[in-house]
Amino acid sequence: DAKTTQPNSMESNEEEPVHLPCNHSTISGTDYIHWYRQLPSQGPEYVIHGLTSNVNNRMASLAIAEDRKSSTLILHRATLRDAAVYYCILRDSNYKLSFGAGTTVTVRA
Amino acid sequence: DVKVTQSSRYLVKRTGEKVFLECVQDMDHENMFWYRQDPGLGLRLIYFSYDVKMKEKGDIPEGYSVSREKKERFSLILESASTNQTSMYLCASSPQQGRNTEAFFGQGTRLTVV
Repeated sequence: DAKTTQPNSMESNEEEPVHLPCNHSTISGTDYIHWYRQLPSQGPEYVIHGLTSNVNNRMASLAIAEDRKSSTLILHRATLRDAAVYYCILRDSNYKLSFGAGTTVTVRA
Repeated sequence: DVKVTQSSRYLVKRTGEKVFLECVQDMDHENMFWYRQDPGLGLRLIYFSYDVKMKEKGDIPEGYSVSREKKERFSLILESASTNQTSMYLCASSPQQGRNTEAFFGQGTRLTVV
């Protein structure tokens, strides 16, 4: 599986945007870029995914570099509820879904 | 509301016991997964299944087996529980075209083996 690299932690202030980077220099042409997050004491939940183009949904935006070797998850206005571990995952198979260490996001009130 | 349900939130078992962790999804998904999550190690894939009676080993299958007799149910079996299997266990499901779809997770079962 292609690997991803994320910072261990990031801090943000409430109501401010959060930009979470992810490097995936060995990505292949058929890999989808997925983001999940895990709130304390809960199972992971889906955030967003994309292949080549930038994507937006009600939770976040995903900006994908033109060469696809990196991507950024954007939370437009962080709330206290967004404090979680965020995982960037490359999905090269319809079956396997493998998680890395993720980025722990702290939101200051 | 879509749902993945794990049978127990907390479970305490004795060393050597046979343990069954059950997971049920109501979304008619083909793919189902079992993970364990430990501090500092993140989520690690134990087994996954892409169809009824089909299974594939994940990254850490040793000490575990699985069963999928019906599409909606995926069971994780610890044949002889050991203390190093104390962990949070998470089940997930996703549609067949998993690469381009989202996966749904249960709330987890915290298993303690004493």
